[in-house]
Amino acid sequence: DIVVTQSPDSLAVSLGERATINCRSSQSVLYSSNNKNYLAWYQQKPGQPPKLLIYWASTRASGVPDRFSGSGSGTDFALTISSLQAEDVAIYYCQQYYSTPPTFGQGTKVEIK
Amino acid sequence: QVQLVESGGGVVQPGGSLRLSCAASRFTFSGYGMHWVRQAPDKGLEWVAFILYDGSNKYYADSVKGRFTISRDNSKNTLYLQMSSLRAEDTAVYYCAKDPNYGGNFEYFQYWGQGTLVTVSS
Repeated sequence: DIVVTQSPDSLAVSLGERATINCRSSQSVLYSSNNKNYLAWYQQKPGQPPKLLIYWASTRASGVPDRFSGSGSGTDFALTISSLQAEDVAIYYCQQYYSTPPTFGQGTKVEIK
Repeated sequence: QVQLVESGGGVVQPGGSLRLSCAASRFTFSGYGMHWVRQAPDKGLEWVAFILYDGSNKYYADSVKGRFTISRDNSKNTLYLQMSSLRAEDTAVYYCAKDPNYGGNFEYFQYWGQGTLVTVSS
C-alpha cells in the first residue's frame, strides 16, 4: 500500500495569513502515460462529511475559493490557503488514488492563532 | 446538486451483521462507480470498498475483505454495504461517496453523503 504522510499534524495561523500543509507519498503517484498526479485534497469541518477541494494535485473542485491551491508532483505535494478565513478552520486530508487501496494522510488540523 | 443519503446504521453486537444503504439522486447513478469510506470516532478516513458503475468489479480494503460485500441496484439508484462478522474496530461513521469517472475505474471521492454511524458493542 502507498503510505501518505502529512505535516504538520496541526497548525495555527492568523486570519489573513498563509497556511501550508504538506503531503508526502511513499512512492510516486505521477502516472507517466498521462502526466497526471493522482492526488486529492479534502476539507472536513466539525460534524460534517469531507468535501473535495483539489484533484489531480492542483485542479480546484467546483465552487472552491481560489485562495485554496494545490501544488507538487511525484511524491511531494502541498495545499496552500493564501489568506486564511475563519470558515477555513477544519481538518485537511490528502489522498492518493494512484493504486488500490486508495489511502489518506492522517489529517492536518488548521486553527486560528 | 448530487445527493447521497445513507441509512441503516445502528448498534450491533460483535459478530453481528448490518446492511447499509445509500440512496443516490440528481445524477445518472448507473454511470458512476461508488465507494464506501469510514471514519472511526475522532480518527482519520479509511476507504472501505468500491464498485464499478455496472457492478462488474469490486475492490475491498484488506481490513474488511471476506466480511463486507458492496453491491448496487441501478434500477433503484441505491448502493449497499452488507457487513458481517462485525468487530469493535468496525465502529465508525460510514460514508458513501461518488466517483467522478463516468464508466471507468476509481479515482477520487467527488461527493459525499452525510454518513451513518455503526457502533459495534456488547
